[in-house]
Amino acid sequence: EVQLLESGGGLVQPGGSLRLSCAASGFTFSSYAMSWVRQAPGKGLEWVSAISGSGGSTYYADSVKGRFTISRDNSKNTLYLQMNSLRAEDTAVYYCAKAEDVLVEGAYYYYMDVWGKGTTVTVSS
Amino acid sequence: SYELTQPPSVSVSPGQTARITCSGDALPKQYAYWYQQKPGQAPVLVIYKDSERPSGIPERFSGSSSGTTVTLTISGVQAEDEADYYCQSADSSGTYSWVFGGGTKLTVL
Repeated sequence: EVQLLESGGGLVQPGGSLRLSCAASGFTFSSYAMSWVRQAPGKGLEWVSAISGSGGSTYYADSVKGRFTISRDNSKNTLYLQMNSLRAEDTAVYYCAKAEDVLVEGAYYYYMDVWGKGTTVTVSS
Repeated sequence: SYELTQPPSVSVSPGQTARITCSGDALPKQYAYWYQQKPGQAPVLVIYKDSERPSGIPERFSGSSSGTTVTLTISGVQAEDEADYYCQSADSSGTYSWVFGGGTKLTVL
């Protein structure tokens, strides 16, 4: 059974940093892209970042580009999200998700087929 | 930036058919995906590649695509289907960004 367990959330002051982790099990971690998706309180889903199976390709939403860094350690079956220069608007539940890739017109795109339960990040003074 | 548009809410009585639409300019070129999210829970994939159903998802869930609009159809709606539903797709401009619709609250009357 595929399982994803996020950790590392908490309360942080504006301008601060936090690193989220996602421990994966039940599948060959290095063979799959992974993604982070967040949900602000009472709001919809927002895609944040994605990373290829090898870690060689990374993608970011404009709202976090230059502040967040996605990475993975395939030897530890773990996904990370380093969040710097945090703002109040980054307050959300952050979900880790296993991604499947689909070839469309010569390029690969992802969708999220299995999600973790999420970890809560609160940015407040 | 690319946007997917969903109606904020849809209401149906038990046993009826619910249809939730999602519109976006790139949908003729990109697949759409649908997620169900119940309160306090993580999203669950219910439809992928416009109309494919993952294993374990009831047959009453189906998807279709026509031009710039995709539709999630739930036939014979049950009380347990009450949830928020989100469509997701990708921007075809080559920027490699993934977008969610704003979500639709399905209420079972």
